[in-house]
Amino acid sequence: AQKITQTQPGMFVQEKEAVTLDCTYDTSDPSYGLFWYKQPSSGEMIFLIYQGSYDQQNATEGRYSLNFQKARKSANLVISASQLGDSAMYFCAMSLTGGGNKLTFGTGTQLKVEL
Amino acid sequence: SAVISQKPSRDICQRGTSLTIQCQVDSQVTMMFWYRQQPGQSLTLIATANQGSEATYESGFVIDKFPISRPNLTFSTLTVSNMSPEDSSIYLCSVEAVRGRETQYFGPGTRLLVL
Repeated sequence: AQKITQTQPGMFVQEKEAVTLDCTYDTSDPSYGLFWYKQPSSGEMIFLIYQGSYDQQNATEGRYSLNFQKARKSANLVISASQLGDSAMYFCAMSLTGGGNKLTFGTGTQLKVEL
Repeated sequence: SAVISQKPSRDICQRGTSLTIQCQVDSQVTMMFWYRQQPGQSLTLIATANQGSEATYESGFVIDKFPISRPNLTFSTLTVSNMSPEDSSIYLCSVEAVRGRETQYFGPGTRLLVL
């Protein structure tokens, strides 16, 4: 069975600084996908970025980039130039190809951006 | 990206009653999922809603408690039956992106409080 671990329950960052949110995963399946979602206090789940296990390059989407280290089984999210609106809960998730694409989520990291 | 709506957005219900949550997508999708997020927790998959056949439930979730319908490729319902305060959660539907397997989008969620 697959597992996602997020060891940082809470993080603080100064506005305009970069921040890294950690995510490690465990699976014996060679084909999988890794996702990051943002959940503001309103409760909606906002898709941020995706990394496939066979992708050669790290994924980037605007200010979001994914530091994918396959040998270490880590998929850390890097947010550059943090903004006050980035304050939210962030979830890392994984799907297994052939597993119906259902997602397994980590416990989340609460990020607070300060002035 | 797929546009997903859910009804109701929130509700307060009495124990012992049932609530049906609707999920509507603006385009045809193959895979639809229902998740539960209990207060302060991560997301847990309830079931995969299959078009034209019975839903596939995850361990710990049963059809009698969470009956699901999927009459077509754009619509699904989740019923929370015989509710208790422990059912107080955010319920979210998600869909696999039409353009490929790389993304899953979530609806805005239904906040349920059971008294």
